[in-house]
Amino acid sequence: GAGVSQSPSNKVTEKGKDVELRCDPISGHTALYWYRQRLGQGLEFLIYFQGNSAPDKSGLPSDRFSAERTGESVSTLTIQRTQQEDSAVYLCASSQQTGRGGYTFGSGTRLTVV
Amino acid sequence: AQSVTQLDSQVPVFEEAPVELRCNYSSSVSVYLFWYVQYPNQGLQLLLKYLSGSTLVESINGFEAEFNKSQTSFHLRKPSVHISDTAEYFCAVTDYTSYGKLTFGQGTILTVHP
Repeated sequence: GAGVSQSPSNKVTEKGKDVELRCDPISGHTALYWYRQRLGQGLEFLIYFQGNSAPDKSGLPSDRFSAERTGESVSTLTIQRTQQEDSAVYLCASSQQTGRGGYTFGSGTRLTVV
Repeated sequence: AQSVTQLDSQVPVFEEAPVELRCNYSSSVSVYLFWYVQYPNQGLQLLLKYLSGSTLVESINGFEAEFNKSQTSFHLRKPSVHISDTAEYFCAVTDYTSYGKLTFGQGTILTVHP
């Protein structure tokens, strides 16, 4: 597609429920990143995929968080047993090259845990 | 490890006034530097980037930033701002060892008043 597409754009969930967030990167972009933006804070790196290599999960805050990506296609970020501190905007970005070109970001999914 | 400090959380200015948004970074290796802009209710957009070469980089809408290695800074400037420049601005850094993972500053909210 023309840009990075994320869905849903907004999600309200009850504490303890699982949620799944989706990211559809730009076609041909081999690198895909997930970031979290909590209110009033900068972006925190969560996870990075590069082609078929093992993902870099070093930013995932707990084992409740997981993400998958098959090849260079769609990625899903799953949060199990959501907590109120998980409330944030979850941003996905993709790029052709790692490190040099900057990314194209999606518009994000605003997650609210009540 | 890298870090980014944006020294001002909020910068109010009047239309047509000059503005400088400050960014300092720390890294043990050579860096790539970026400024991203987030307009209200929109996703992050790349404003400009420094990869190598000329230390002064410019965007298409009149912003410029200068990489200063000795001061580890990458301040963003515009000689005359418009109402439409009202947005949150994020400074970010990565390097060749980080596989494109960006470390972001906390953001600076620029508000341009008429």
